[in-house]
Amino acid sequence: GENVEQHPSTLSVQEGDSAVIKCTYSDSASNYFPWYKQELGKGPQLIIDIRSNVGEKKDQRIAVTLNKTAKHFSLHITETQPEDSAVYFCAASPLIQGAQKLVFGQGTRLTINP
Amino acid sequence: ETGVTQSPTHLIKTRGQQVTLRCSSQSGHNTVSWYQQALGQGPQFIFQYYREEENGRGNFPPRFSGLQFPNYSSELNVNALELDDSALYLCASSVGGRASDEQFFGPGTRLTVL
Repeated sequence: GENVEQHPSTLSVQEGDSAVIKCTYSDSASNYFPWYKQELGKGPQLIIDIRSNVGEKKDQRIAVTLNKTAKHFSLHITETQPEDSAVYFCAASPLIQGAQKLVFGQGTRLTINP
Repeated sequence: ETGVTQSPTHLIKTRGQQVTLRCSSQSGHNTVSWYQQALGQGPQFIFQYYREEENGRGNFPPRFSGLQFPNYSSELNVNALELDDSALYLCASSVGGRASDEQFFGPGTRLTVL
């Protein structure tokens, strides 16, 4: 089945700098790659996603890139702010019995230092 | 538009007991997926319900079961609770049950098994 590896597990950057989180996946049938932000005591919140027919997508300070050949995708956050501090999860979505099953990475705890 | 809601927010059970968790999907969504998130880990897919039928299941034993109602709300039932069942249980709703549908998560139910 699908396996998603996420790195790094923790990341600390200075406010205003950029942060990059990387994920690799194993199932070439996966075609949907969302990124979630989870704050303490809350459920994951979708921040950006990319589908397999697109190589890059940007939304203000957040961008995601996808390399289907190498089976990896990355989250880029520019001009980081203290409110960006949270745990970030990547996920890949293969089909299982026709259903959408999100397979998550292990998470990255991002800390923005003022 | 009302988001995904879950109840209760947290509860404590003892080993061997049974528990029922509830989820109301976002307005207009007909698909509910359940995930288990152990402390410090990414969510793991339990199963998905689409139009009241189970539509895919992850690697969880049969003592994890579910229901979806005509209004698309859902229940997760866990029998014969074990200590390892302690986790945050998340439900997510989406439209259509397809691999590329965005999933919107609720805040979760924190289950502690003693």
